[in-house]
Amino acid sequence: AQSVAQPEDQVNVAEGNPLTVKCTYSVSGNPYLFWYVQYPNRGLQFLLKYITGDNLVKGSYGFEAEFNKSQTSFHLKKPSALVSDSALYFCAVRDGGAGNMLTFGGGTRLMVKP
Amino acid sequence: EAGVAQSPRYKIIEKRQSVAFWCNPISGHATLYWYQQILGQGPKLLIQFQNNGVVDDSQLPKDRFSAERLKGVDSTLKIQPAKLEDSAVYLCASSLPLLAAGNQFFGPGTRLTVL
Repeated sequence: AQSVAQPEDQVNVAEGNPLTVKCTYSVSGNPYLFWYVQYPNRGLQFLLKYITGDNLVKGSYGFEAEFNKSQTSFHLKKPSALVSDSALYFCAVRDGGAGNMLTFGGGTRLMVKP
Repeated sequence: EAGVAQSPRYKIIEKRQSVAFWCNPISGHATLYWYQQILGQGPKLLIQFQNNGVVDDSQLPKDRFSAERLKGVDSTLKIQPAKLEDSAVYLCASSLPLLAAGNQFFGPGTRLTVL
């Protein structure tokens, strides 16, 4: 069975500072990894994904994520946080050999303060 | 390009009543998903369709939940009878056919409150 862990319920960061939202995963095969963001009263929006290739993946709104196979992690990062980045962030994984079933983590609330 | 449409956006019912949600996926997306997102948790897949066929419904509580996608486009999710623990946001998503790397595009969700 595949699973995702987001160890922090909330991350607080000051505007302009770098941010990291952590994610670790477990799959039996090759992992396909995703980050989604959820703003209040809106559906999830795709940020970025890792399928294969370069371990550093760049996505929307200046976000990036680093795939680390030995640590089974896929942490989300941004060099300089904006207040508008405040939202709920979800990491998701699926086994590359299975159907397109995504397993989501519990989410991390990012709070960026001015 | 129009996104995934869902209705209603909000629904309040009493326990033991029935409720239905509707989803219209992005045009050309053969794969459709229904997720349940309980407050404070990540979305959990309930059912996945490929065209009008069910691919995965292993986490659908079939004693009370049902879903259909008769013509391979729109889909409805029904709960009958509802329980208090069904209070959640029900998200619909769609993607291109069963691509391993394909993104799923989510609708705004239907927030269900069961009293």
